[in-house]
Amino acid sequence: DAKTTQPTSMDCAEGRAANLPCNHSTISGNEYVYWYRQIHSQGPQYIIHGLKNNETNEMASLIITEDRKSSTLILPHATLRDTAVYYCIVRASNTGTASKLTFGTGTRLQVTL
Amino acid sequence: GAVVSQHPSRVICKSGTSVKIECRSLDFQATTMFWYRQFPKQSLMLMATSNEGSKATYEQGVEKDKFLINHASLTLSTLTVTSAHPEDSSFYICSARDPGQSGNTIYFGEGSWLTVV
Repeated sequence: DAKTTQPTSMDCAEGRAANLPCNHSTISGNEYVYWYRQIHSQGPQYIIHGLKNNETNEMASLIITEDRKSSTLILPHATLRDTAVYYCIVRASNTGTASKLTFGTGTRLQVTL
Repeated sequence: GAVVSQHPSRVICKSGTSVKIECRSLDFQATTMFWYRQFPKQSLMLMATSNEGSKATYEQGVEKDKFLINHASLTLSTLTVTSAHPEDSSFYICSARDPGQSGNTIYFGEGSWLTVV
């Protein structure tokens, strides 16, 4: 899997949008960008994924640059329950061994009052 | 999203005994499941890839005879920690790939805390 670079930590005020950046400059054409988050002492939670186009679901929006070398996860109205470690991972979608998820250190998002 | 369930969520066992952790995909069939281990304040580390009907593929440095993985059906994979030692105490997490989702999205279980005393 291509490597990703994320800031170690970020703060966000409750009710404001949280914008979490991710660099993946060596991403391959068949690799998706996935975002997961892990709240303390729980398994990672799937948030969203995309290939080329921007994506939106009930949890978040994913903005992928045209050259696909970076992306931003947007939580539109952060709440205290969004405090977690957010992982950006690029991964091939096929069923071979390249499709495994390799976790980096992620971004620790702290949402404050 | 798809649901993956692990059992037990917490287990305490004595040194030298074996303990089994189950991972089930509840609403999809998973030909491939993954087992991770996470130590406090560290990221998830992939241990092995579990393939239904065949042998698991272990990551470098993971002892296959100590961490036995069985994937006997399309909805169940098990991890057995054999001859457990205190240093095996950790948070074990499984995940399963849903082939019905775009990009073969992978979903995670709730995790299982293992304490070896």
